[in-house]
Amino acid sequence: QAVLTQPSSLSASPGASASLTCTLRSGINVGSYRIYWYQQKAGSPPQYLLRYKSDSDKQQGSGVPSRFSGSKDASANAGILVIAGLQSEDEADYYCMIWHNSAYLFGTGTKVSVL
Amino acid sequence: QEHLVESGGDLVTPGGSLRLSCAASGFTFSNYSMSWVRQAPGKGLEWIAYISSRGLYSNYADSVRGRFTVSRDNARNSLSLQMNDLTAEDTALYYCTRGTFDFWGQGTLVTVSS
Repeated sequence: QAVLTQPSSLSASPGASASLTCTLRSGINVGSYRIYWYQQKAGSPPQYLLRYKSDSDKQQGSGVPSRFSGSKDASANAGILVIAGLQSEDEADYYCMIWHNSAYLFGTGTKVSVL
Repeated sequence: QEHLVESGGDLVTPGGSLRLSCAASGFTFSNYSMSWVRQAPGKGLEWIAYISSRGLYSNYADSVRGRFTVSRDNARNSLSLQMNDLTAEDTALYYCTRGTFDFWGQGTLVTVSS
């Protein structure tokens, strides 16, 4: 079982909001971790979006629009990336990441389609 | 403006070796830890190696530990990855990244095939 599991794909309409989940494996408490989020458009390297641990410990990447935001769902043991007001340019793969047991671990990635 | 430029990717036969380099500019290189992250064709991201800002500490993913060695030269603003005993599973685009991956290079392609 992967440490970080993401839905393989998500589709939404332009202008809608999309919530991307990053579920931590059982036994790894999401509350203890900073969750990092990256966006990778086709043919390009990933770009850092933001990190979120709590409302008092969060950081937006340089130049990243405020319609990208992070949160957590403790009951689901998951980190969440919310994209508000989806735009066609948001079509991309999205990866979460944590630092765990002296290693950086990426999630399995979610492909977002804007239909 | 920050720049990371990787080089050294090539076609290599199984069991062979390769050395990747990353040239940094536009920021104070010695202030940042650095990592290598790879992406196999059509696959997700995999962190493989980390080195602290002064090069005193490094760490590796289990998949490459004992075969790959990361190093840096802060005087030359450069990062390197020595890769030995390569296998087909090492075929990937290799990215040089800064800190907690807040900046990425364009990547260099390593293909391991006979």
